[in-house]
Parts: sequence; structure tokens; C-alpha cells
Amino acid sequence: RKEVEQDPGPFNVPEGATVAFNCTYSNSASQSFFWYRQDCRKEPKLLMSVYSSGNEDGRFTAQLNRASQYISLLIRDSKLSDSATYLCVVNIKPGGGADGLTFGKGTHLIIQP
Amino acid sequence: NAGVTQTPKFQVLKTGQSMTLQCAQDMNHEYMSWYRQDPGMGLRLIHYSVGAGITDQGEVPNGYNVSRSTTEDFPLRLLSAAPSQTSVYFCASSLALGLAAYEQYFGPGTRLTVT
Repeated sequence: RKEVEQDPGPFNVPEGATVAFNCTYSNSASQSFFWYRQDCRKEPKLLMSVYSSGNEDGRFTAQLNRASQYISLLIRDSKLSDSATYLCVVNIKPGGGADGLTFGKGTHLIIQP
Repeated sequence: NAGVTQTPKFQVLKTGQSMTLQCAQDMNHEYMSWYRQDPGMGLRLIHYSVGAGITDQGEVPNGYNVSRSTTEDFPLRLLSAAPSQTSVYFCASSLALGLAAYEQYFGPGTRLTVT
């Protein structure tokens, strides 16, 4: 089983709809979880961290389910500008550091007018 | 602040050539890293540094060298380019404190083709 798995998509969603996608991770010792956004031919940027209690930032909600070992990202009232690839990132090492991060391959989201 | 800068943006090499990808950050971040991103693969860590004078290997270090003589700069050297090193290379930096250490600030990337 791969360490971090995501449905690559693409998810084709009409503007204004709600879309959700999950990311599963295999290491039960994983410490921290994040969603990054990557636009076409650009660098990844942190979208939000995922806390145990869930995390909401405007139209974006991230949830963690430790028992089933997955995190989710929900986007409400989707905008054309939400079209991007969403990378799931899991950290297995306490104390930080790039060597503890595992990046998923990403889920490609296309918002259609 | 310019953030993380990388040069060049594009590069074509012949097999066997060597070159250095430059990376600099002006945020006084302790951590710096190099990743490669290939189609159908997640970002993979090549080398990283937790401070000036300290470097360590990541997941895919073979064929690459790094050095960190200053906090700001973290160049990546390809010793003898191979077609398998055709990829997009991202440099990243982060603070060293708690959760902030996980927020990677990425440079714009270098697209490298080895023929």
C-alpha cells in the first residue's frame, strides 16, 4: 500500500457546486496533515493545515479521520479559480523537517462555467 | 521579499554534462530542501538542510550533490546528467519552529531536460 494515496481525477465540477475529495495514508504514526494547492506549471502552495478537530477557512473545510486514516477537503460554492491540483501532505516525523513529509500525487480539479 | 528564487527557469543538458541549479531565499529560513516532480509521481525529496553547514540525503539523492555555506543559498549540483534526471526541480524553505516547519515555501521551479 502506498504511503499517501489520492484519486488523481480529474474531477469536473460545475461552478457553484460543492466538491470533496479524500486522501488516505498508511502510516498510523503520522503526526500532521496538510493540503497544498498547485496551479498548472506553478509551484505548490500551502492551502491549509488539517487539525484533529477539523479546520475551516472560508469555503474550504479540511477534516481528519485517524481511525480510518484519511483526510478530506471540501470546497463549497466552487469558483473557476479553484481549478488546480490539490496535494495531500502527511508528516511522520515529530519536530518538523522536510524529510518527514510525504506528498501525494495530487487530485486534479476542474471547475467548469 | 522575493521569497524563494530559482535559476535557471529552463535548462537543456546533454547526457554526461554537469550543472548547478541555484536556489536562494530571503526569509531567513533555517530549513531548505530540493524536490523533484515527475508526471504521475508525488514530489520526492532529493536533499535537505537544517541550517548552514548541515545537509542530509532525502529519498532520491543519487546523482546530486548539495552544499549550504550560507543561510540564504542552497545550490543543487548534477554531477553527470542522465535522461532519468529530466524533471521539474523545486527548491523550498521553511522555518524550524513547530508546525511552521511544515509550511514549505516553494520556488517557481526549474524545468530540466536531459537528452
